[in-house]
Amino acid sequence: DADVTQTPRNRITKTGKRIMLECSQTKGHDRMYWYRQDPGLGLRLIYYSFDVKDINKGEISDGYSVSRQAQAKFSLSLESAIPNQTALYFCATSDPREVSEQFFGPGTRLTVL
Amino acid sequence: QKEVEQNSGPLSVPEGAIASLNCTYSDRGSQSFFWYRQYSGKSPELIMSIYSNGDKEDGRFTAQLNKASQYVSLLIRDSQPSDSATYLCAGPGSSASKIIFGSGTRLSIRP
Repeated sequence: DADVTQTPRNRITKTGKRIMLECSQTKGHDRMYWYRQDPGLGLRLIYYSFDVKDINKGEISDGYSVSRQAQAKFSLSLESAIPNQTALYFCATSDPREVSEQFFGPGTRLTVL
Repeated sequence: QKEVEQNSGPLSVPEGAIASLNCTYSDRGSQSFFWYRQYSGKSPELIMSIYSNGDKEDGRFTAQLNKASQYVSLLIRDSQPSDSATYLCAGPGSSASKIIFGSGTRLSIRP
């Protein structure tokens, strides 16, 4: 079984809809991250969390919110989706002793029409 | 704001040759850098880390860090078609809990 899973894997939605992307991990890592990837722009950090009570904004948090329901679960929400949020979204985890090695989920391809 | 920059490519290299991927960074104080490989449609995976000036070798891969010139490179010897992927350079972010990624270089190994 995969260590980091994401659901759904693909989603097409309409402008203005609320969307939730979910991430679960079995690696036992405290740190979890949400990134979005756009062609030519690489991976950009949306939010990250050190534990259930510690949530931090990344470089592009506007229009997004997150929830850390448990050590193993970290969800990303788009309250009112817009077309420029069309992207590939990745969840990742890391051990606090080795932040540089991040383990990524398979990604969610989101299309906002 | 810290930045990591890469040429987006594509970089086309014949099979068996050396592929050279480069990355520059803005923060002179950065100490460590990382190379992630991302196959098309897949998620990134860490393949090399380098923490000090000079070279680090792992099999066919060599990472090079030149702090004076603020660049990092990845050399792939005896390139194979399976090396065709996008390579992401990453460095320390604004806090110890984050890393920042370059936009990636797409490498194509032609048979």
